[in-house]
Amino acid sequence: KNEVEQSPQNLTAQEEEFITINCSYSVGISALHWLQQHPGGGIVSLFMLSSGKKKHGRLIATINIQEKHSSLHITASHPRDSAVYICAVRSATGNQFYFGTGTSLTVIP
Amino acid sequence: DVKVTQSSRYLVKRTGEKVFLECVQDMDHENMFWYRQDPGLGLRLIYFSYDVKMKEKGDIPEGYSVSREKKERFSLILESASTNQTSMYLCASSLGTGVATFGSGTRLTVV
Repeated sequence: KNEVEQSPQNLTAQEEEFITINCSYSVGISALHWLQQHPGGGIVSLFMLSSGKKKHGRLIATINIQEKHSSLHITASHPRDSAVYICAVRSATGNQFYFGTGTSLTVIP
Repeated sequence: DVKVTQSSRYLVKRTGEKVFLECVQDMDHENMFWYRQDPGLGLRLIYFSYDVKMKEKGDIPEGYSVSREKKERFSLILESASTNQTSMYLCASSLGTGVATFGSGTRLTVV
């Protein structure tokens, strides 16, 4: 059983397309993280959310606590956005992180 | 620039060898984590530590142990490496419930 489910698993988009990646979770959380992993393995934290919406450049992350759902949006996508995007939640009861299996995004020029 | 540093980027070891993966963070974070990442399975927690000399099992601790003698260093030990431990290993640290910072990973191949 996966505490965190992401969709889609793979996504190919044309440059400039608006992209949405979805994350649903089944545990109580203190925070939700969106991570970006580039080829070669390096992971960067994009957002940490506990409510509402955050924006950073072309990236927007939203969370609906009641529905246990979060979305990551990329506006005006670019080939450099090609990466694996991972949703992770931190449990409300402890220091556990649960991870989705990731969404592999390829943006074609 | 804050960092989580993993000692090796690539490692090849033989079956049965004892393997040490080292992770050092310079942010004075109390929480440190070891994960492995496998295709189709995502990131899975092996062990975590919330203080010096404290450790907790994650989802897949079998075949692994950890050591945290100093706050900045969290070591993952494979007592007797096996081929099914071939994987990407990622270390992370965090302060309280804050954002986790990840190392760049160690790709371990056991032959």
